[in-house]
Amino acid sequence: DVKVTQSSRYLVKRTGEKVFLECVQDMDHENMFWYRQDPGLGLRLIYFSYDVKMKEKGDIPEGYSVSREKKERFSLILESASTNQTSMYLCASSSPTERYGYTFGSGTRLTVV
Amino acid sequence: QKEVEQNSGPLSVPEGAIASLNCTYSDRGSQSFFWYRQYSGKSPELIMSIYSNGDKEDGRFTAQLNKASQYVSLLIRDSQPSDSATYLCAVTPVGSNYKLTFGKGTLLTVNP
Repeated sequence: DVKVTQSSRYLVKRTGEKVFLECVQDMDHENMFWYRQDPGLGLRLIYFSYDVKMKEKGDIPEGYSVSREKKERFSLILESASTNQTSMYLCASSSPTERYGYTFGSGTRLTVV
Repeated sequence: QKEVEQNSGPLSVPEGAIASLNCTYSDRGSQSFFWYRQYSGKSPELIMSIYSNGDKEDGRFTAQLNKASQYVSLLIRDSQPSDSATYLCAVTPVGSNYKLTFGKGTLLTVNP
């Protein structure tokens, strides 16, 4: 019954590495989102996409990029990982048919050392 | 800046009691309202949605919406230790139909 799948549950990367976080949804949702969540800061939007090949910056896009080549897949890329990007990363998707309520993936706990 | 405000808690209730979680929002034209439950170390899970004024019940959960007061609440009846989690309120603001605005969440602890 998994609907939004994130490729890794835990990930450890070195400073300076290029990091790819993958998210796939099987609900045919138009909209997909990447958030990071840190204690005391809540959910912060990094990037979102409302259509294939379309993307918009969220509140904290610096140091990140995204790719959406297919409707079901939304990838987050950390161009050069830094320790301040250590966080929980959450992917979500939504659709107007569900009044835009998000379905979240299980999250990726990324540690940059 | 469109905001969603929640008391951070922790809110502590005894097992079997009613837990009341509150949320206010700044965008008067908001249309859709959601409550998510998030266990420690896990991702948020949608538990309730409400779109019109009044109450909506689902099992032990009741969502209440008052658009005039810009207020949405979640009541959990017969609280169980398994209800211990952070509860996030989310709102769809005007002009951004697909991007939710989240509160920072209220930590609920249900004591056996």
